[in-house]
Amino acid sequence: AQSVTQPDIHITVSEGASLELRCNYSYGATPYLFWYVQSPGQGLQLLLKYFSGDTLVQGIKGFEAEFKRSQSSFNLRKPSVHWSDAAEYFCAGLDTGRRALTFGSGTRLQVQP
Amino acid sequence: DADVTQTPRNRITKTGKRIMLECSQTKGHDRMYWYRQDPGLGLRLIYYSFDVKDINKGEISDGYSVSRQAQAKFSLSLESAIPNQTALYFCATSEAGRYLFGPGTRLTVL
Repeated sequence: AQSVTQPDIHITVSEGASLELRCNYSYGATPYLFWYVQSPGQGLQLLLKYFSGDTLVQGIKGFEAEFKRSQSSFNLRKPSVHWSDAAEYFCAGLDTGRRALTFGSGTRLQVQP
Repeated sequence: DADVTQTPRNRITKTGKRIMLECSQTKGHDRMYWYRQDPGLGLRLIYYSFDVKDINKGEISDGYSVSRQAQAKFSLSLESAIPNQTALYFCATSEAGRYLFGPGTRLTVL
């Protein structure tokens, strides 16, 4: 079955430190992958997406993600975290049959001063 | 105006009541979706629709029904609400790989 897994439920980093959020996928063919962010009390905002081509994808707010087929991963990174990045982050993959997104369980990011 | 709107934004209801959540979009997208979000579970697909005459069950459709009244409108109904349907509900649309989400409806079933 097509799925995405986010192994980390909760991560805490210090402001200014680097960040990497993990996402693993299980798809037969080349997956279409997304990262979304949900700030407290807010809806979902797309950070970036990967469909094909360059495996390093740049997104908004200084985020990037790297698609690694050998590791079945699509990890989200940011070189220097800001307090405003505290939120929940969701990795998602496209279920091509349903043309719907399948979401991971999310990683909650806490940023310490 | 927002591309995808949901009404109501918040709703508290009682067990056994019928409730409808509404979603409207202005993008002209054919595909629409309903998801629910629960802590620690991410978003799970309830129903999806490819057009007005094509409606399909998602992962967790039991206890829910939908109606696609027009291309722009997709409603989710709980015929007899139960407490474990307390969740945050999102409507979404898509076209050409672009997915747009509404602001969500927070539903509490007492």
